[in-house]
Amino acid sequence: DGGITQSPKYLFRKEGQNVTLSCEQNLNHDAMYWYRQDPGQGLRLIYYSQIVNDFQKGDIAEGYSVSREKKESFPLTVTSAQKNPTAFYLCASSIGAGGTQETQYFGPGTRLLVL
Amino acid sequence: AQSVSQHNHHVILSEAASLELGCNYSYGGTVNLFWYVQYPGQHLQLLLKYFSGDPLVKGIKGFEAEFIKSKFSFNLRKPSVQWSDTAEYFCAVNAGSAGNMLTFGGGTRLMVKP
Repeated sequence: DGGITQSPKYLFRKEGQNVTLSCEQNLNHDAMYWYRQDPGQGLRLIYYSQIVNDFQKGDIAEGYSVSREKKESFPLTVTSAQKNPTAFYLCASSIGAGGTQETQYFGPGTRLLVL
Repeated sequence: AQSVSQHNHHVILSEAASLELGCNYSYGGTVNLFWYVQYPGQHLQLLLKYFSGDPLVKGIKGFEAEFIKSKFSFNLRKPSVQWSDTAEYFCAVNAGSAGNMLTFGGGTRLMVKP
């Protein structure tokens, strides 16, 4: 069953703690993305990766880090430097052929809450 | 930088009413346009997209959207909504110079009363 999986569904973070959100895809897509969704603000791009071992900052990368060691995996770490981490985090992927007409496919999301 | 505006944040309709959700973008060059929908408890999924050609595009579940270049708009329409259309709708734009990155609007939350 092809698709994008994200875990966990809910994640709690204590002050000063780093947490890592998992994103896995078996669609054989090259490009992967992380978005943050806040009420009334839509989705904002945190980081994206066009290919393994390469990634770029999006519009709101401060306080976040990523890695792309495998094609199918693109974990996001929310560091203690991110002062307002409570949000819904969405991972997406696309074929990544370099064109502009690609559809992005989304995972179910992880809701991060700060204790 | 490109931006996308969805002016209706919340819309409440009765079943069988007609729907039009506004979407305006700020980029002046070639754009690719998308509408995504997020049903309660479900993944964000593609509703329809416009790349080129006929500016009136049809998507899933009876939705359609019209690209009006002169107005920088890509409004979503449905002639008769159903209770199952209750969801949040997002307009997204990809500008030709931005690779395959999308800029999303703030979303419109639609509630359809049975």
